[in-house]
Amino acid sequence: SQTIHQWPATLVQPVGSPLSLECTVEGTSNPNLYWYRQAAGRGLQLLFYSVGIGQISSEVPQNLSASRPQDRQFILSSKKLLLSDSGFYLCAWSILTNTIYNEQFFGPGTRLTVL
Amino acid sequence: GEDVEQSLFLSVREGDSSVINCTYTDSSSTYLYWYKQEPGAGLQLLTYIFSNMDMKQDQRLTVLLNKKDKHLSLRIADTQTGDSAIYFCAETSFGNEKLTFGTGTRLTIIP
Repeated sequence: SQTIHQWPATLVQPVGSPLSLECTVEGTSNPNLYWYRQAAGRGLQLLFYSVGIGQISSEVPQNLSASRPQDRQFILSSKKLLLSDSGFYLCAWSILTNTIYNEQFFGPGTRLTVL
Repeated sequence: GEDVEQSLFLSVREGDSSVINCTYTDSSSTYLYWYKQEPGAGLQLLTYIFSNMDMKQDQRLTVLLNKKDKHLSLRIADTQTGDSAIYFCAETSFGNEKLTFGTGTRLTIIP
């Protein structure tokens, strides 16, 4: 069966510090991978998605970046965090040809607080 | 771009029915979903409907789709305390690698 891991679960970082959040998927090959941010009262915002190794699509301009160094690994980074980067970060995967088209499976999330 | 809207909050008495509404703008939407997010956790798919369907029922859940008005609803019968969560609707079209999510509706159950 497939599982998705995210770490760390919580993170408190000062403004201006770097960030690295990691997401890994087990039990599937060549998944689509997604990074979302959930801020209070603002729903779920798609930040990046990837359809393959080294292929990253950015959805919103910001000081974050994403990388996919391996098939089942997706990393979200920042060189200098802003207060507005605080939120709940969710990683998800999908296989478009699954029985339910583009059903996305979410990780447990990382709660980031920037002080 | 595509837009999906939901009201932010809904309170319902235990045992009553809950109806969560969603409107979307993309007329090419092919698949519409309801996801559930329990506190501090990721989202899980609750149910889905294809755009060529009007209604889908799954135990206590009923999904209604009005394609003409681009309106989707989720009805939860006999609402229980375990139904407390944030409910997101989402839509996509065939061939699209992305889902567009709504803002989420926080459902609170009143004992």
